[in-house]
Amino acid sequence: DAKTTQPPSMDCAEGRAANLPCNHSTISGNEYVYWYRQIHSQGPQYIIHGLKNNETNEMASLIITEDRKSSTLILPHATLRDTAVYYCIVSQLWNTGNQFYFGTGTSLTVIP
Amino acid sequence: GAVVSQHPSRVICKSGTSVKIECRSLDFQATTMFWYRQFPKQSLMLMATSNEGSKATYEQGVEKDKFLINHASLTLSTLTVTSAHPEDSSFYICSADGHFGDGTRLSIL
Repeated sequence: DAKTTQPPSMDCAEGRAANLPCNHSTISGNEYVYWYRQIHSQGPQYIIHGLKNNETNEMASLIITEDRKSSTLILPHATLRDTAVYYCIVSQLWNTGNQFYFGTGTSLTVIP
Repeated sequence: GAVVSQHPSRVICKSGTSVKIECRSLDFQATTMFWYRQFPKQSLMLMATSNEGSKATYEQGVEKDKFLINHASLTLSTLTVTSAHPEDSSFYICSADGHFGDGTRLSIL
């Protein structure tokens, strides 16, 4: 079962930062936080993942609280193409063959 | 480029037909692959874990005789929806090593 809770929907103005929260209060010590997004009728696209340190890549930044019970995905300058459903998942490292259980995700709409 | 490839991307079949969906890992070997199903406006639901060289592990409520999984090589897993009916119409997605395929839209008439 999914171990994460996310708001069902959010809006963000184009060009502004989109901050998507995720609660994962029952995360285990060896579980990572993964973020994926899904654009309509496509497979999920990997965005970023982290264990306990904040992470940044060309797509986004991931801020994980010190107690690891919640995290925030930041899209620094949202564009219309960032409109998608964003999923936060906690799981062991993917090369361990561990399953990903998806929650309901956040539907982000970027507004012109 | 894509690292997990699914085929076909769309299937339309008559009720009672069996449909096979392929999932291939490109440029890497995957001893474990995963199959998901997604109904409209819903999240992805894990159906089963496909294990190379052994039986698949099915999630609770998923009929193993209805959804046959074969993982005969380190780069290929197949999902066969046997005797498909309209209620099996859905978006089927596979994944391996955190990478997801582009999904297969199955429509049963």
